[in-house]
Amino acid sequence: SQKIEQNSEALNIQEGKTATLTCNYTNYSPAYLQWYRQDPGRGPVFLLLIRENEKEKRKERLKVTFDTTLKQSLFHITASQPADSATYLCALAGGADTGRRALTFGSGTRLQVQP
Amino acid sequence: NAGVMQNPRHLVRRRGQEARLRCSPMKGHSHVYWYRQLPEEGLKFMVYLQKENIIDESGMPKERFSAEFPKEGPSILRIQQVVRGDSAAYFCASSPRTSGPISYNEQFFGPGTRLTVL
Repeated sequence: SQKIEQNSEALNIQEGKTATLTCNYTNYSPAYLQWYRQDPGRGPVFLLLIRENEKEKRKERLKVTFDTTLKQSLFHITASQPADSATYLCALAGGADTGRRALTFGSGTRLQVQP
Repeated sequence: NAGVMQNPRHLVRRRGQEARLRCSPMKGHSHVYWYRQLPEEGLKFMVYLQKENIIDESGMPKERFSAEFPKEGPSILRIQQVVRGDSAAYFCASSPRTSGPISYNEQFFGPGTRLTVL
C-alpha cells in the first residue's frame, strides 16, 4: 500500500541554522509533491510545489528537492527563525496511474527553532 | 478576497446525534476536498467534490458519512449517528478549476471544524 513517512520526532535547531526535513514515500508514483505548514489549531498553509520532472525548487528561505529514484523529498529552511516553528507536512498527489487530485499527507514533522 | 470558510469552528454532539459541517470555498474555486485529522495524526483524505458531483469518495466511510456540494451554497459534510471515534478536526480545502487530469494547483485550507462527541 502507499506510504508516506516523515520523521515523527520533533526537530530542534538553533536560530540561524538550516532546518532539513525529510519525506520518504513507497508504492507511489506521484505527479507532484507539496509542502505545507500547519500551526496548532489551524489549517495547513501551502508553501511549495515541485513536479516529478523538477529536481529543486526555491522560494525565499525555502528549498525543496525531489528525487523520484530515491522516492524522497528534502525540505530546507535556511536562516531559521523562531517564527518558523510549526509542523511541516509533506503531501503527494496521484500520478498517471491514479489521476487522483486528492492529496495524501504524511504525519508531519514538528520543527522548533530556539532563539 | 475571503479564504476558505468553515462553520462551525467547534461542534459538540452527543453520541447518536447528527453533525453537519459547512464549507464555502474560495471565490472562483470549483473543487472542494474534505480531510479528517485525528489527534496526533496526519490529515486523511475523505472526499473530493465539484459542483453537484462527487468525484472521489474513496476515503469516506461507507456508512453514516455523506457529502454534497450543491449548485448554490456551501459544501456540506454530514455525519449521522456520531460516535466518539468521530471526534476529530475536519478540514475543507478548495482549488481552482484546471484542465487535464492532473491539477498542479495548491489546495487552500479552511480553519477546520473541531468535532467533539460526548
